[in-house]
Amino acid sequence: DAGVIQSPRHEVTEMGQEVTLRCKPISGHDYLFWYRQTMMRGLELLIYFNNNVPIDDSGMPEDRFSAKMPNASFSTLKIQPSEPRDSAVYFCASRTLGTGELFFGEGSRLTVL
Amino acid sequence: KQEVTQIPAALSVPEGENLVLNCSFTDSAIYNLQWFRQDPGKGLTSLLLIQSSQREQTSGRLNASLDKSSGRSTLYIAASQPGDSATYLCAVRRIQGAQKLVFGQGTRLTINP
Repeated sequence: DAGVIQSPRHEVTEMGQEVTLRCKPISGHDYLFWYRQTMMRGLELLIYFNNNVPIDDSGMPEDRFSAKMPNASFSTLKIQPSEPRDSAVYFCASRTLGTGELFFGEGSRLTVL
Repeated sequence: KQEVTQIPAALSVPEGENLVLNCSFTDSAIYNLQWFRQDPGKGLTSLLLIQSSQREQTSGRLNASLDKSSGRSTLYIAASQPGDSATYLCAVRRIQGAQKLVFGQGTRLTINP
């Protein structure tokens, strides 16, 4: 299996622009998680899905952030409008039901100027 | 609220030494604990997963132990190599809200040739 696949790996954009990050989880995994990593705050859980349904979005910082999972093999995290404080590395991770290990993608490094 | 602490934040040792990384958590009611490795600019790679009923797990030169009653886990690395240089993070999965992982800030390990 190719693992969790994220795109783009790097994104540089200007404040106010819309940003869309994409994730393909490992096939057969029931849970998908979006994390954000910064030096100041470490890893923060933004939202997670179970069987394509959003379960907990309490970590989403503002209404500017939204996430969707239209099918079992694809999820998006959208920021609109983007702000410089959104600059971070965004990770997608997936795992199976039960005691399964969590597997991470390589991350999308976002820079908002 | 579960808090996870990793001390020290950084560690530098000569090649060949055996070493121990520490992880402590405030709430002993955990479901499992996972150790990850993160190389610069990369995602997190799962190293070991310990269930709450287990005392330790081993993979090659790595051994992770878990003592729930004292709220501690250690990651033992035998015969360290320069390729072991990375940031090591531990994360606990709580029983309540058990889909989330709470991460420590990590220990940045440098193995000097």
